[in-house]
Amino acid sequence: DVKVTQSSRYLVKRTGEKVFLECVQDMDHENMFWYRQDPGLGLRLIYFSYDVKMKEKGDIPEGYSVSREKKERFSLILESASTNQTSMYLCASRGVGRDDNEQFFGPGTRLTVL
Amino acid sequence: GDSVTQMEGPVTLSEEAFLTINCTYTATGYPSLFWYVQYPGEGLQLLLKATKADDKGSNKGFEATYRKETTSFHLEKGSVQVSDSAVYFCALGVQGAQKLVFGQGTRLTINP
Repeated sequence: DVKVTQSSRYLVKRTGEKVFLECVQDMDHENMFWYRQDPGLGLRLIYFSYDVKMKEKGDIPEGYSVSREKKERFSLILESASTNQTSMYLCASRGVGRDDNEQFFGPGTRLTVL
Repeated sequence: GDSVTQMEGPVTLSEEAFLTINCTYTATGYPSLFWYVQYPGEGLQLLLKATKADDKGSNKGFEATYRKETTSFHLEKGSVQVSDSAVYFCALGVQGAQKLVFGQGTRLTINP
């Protein structure tokens, strides 16, 4: 089974702190994604990466950056956390060569910024 | 652009009731369609999928049929259980694009 793990299930940070959210997948997938989930808004794509050191902005990249130094690991960085970044963050991965776009999700990190 | 519209929630039903959660989409290409489920405190899990028109996806008693003529992918289950209580997301993936586009999610609560 594909396994996607995230470094923390719950995180509490203060406004202005630098925050790192880590995601690791064990299926040698090329594509990795970061979403945020907010009530009534569904999942919104922040950034994705289609290969090591490659990244593309999603729909809501402002206030975030990402890093992909190794194929299995994709990090989301909040350079200076703000209260409006309080949310659930979900990481996902996908292998290429499939005829669909199925993604595999981690358990999520619930981030609270005070 | 590509988009997914889901039935507004929350939805509350009694055990053994019939469930329908509506999902319609707009897409420029030939999308694959998905239903994901999120149980309390967990990430998203794939529930079922369909990759072309008239395909029916099914899993755990849930079904959805890819209807190109009505651009719909409604989720149905004949007899729901308390354990089906979760948030359900409809999503589409356009061929050639890596991204998925999600609906806003529908929270389902099943009462005993």
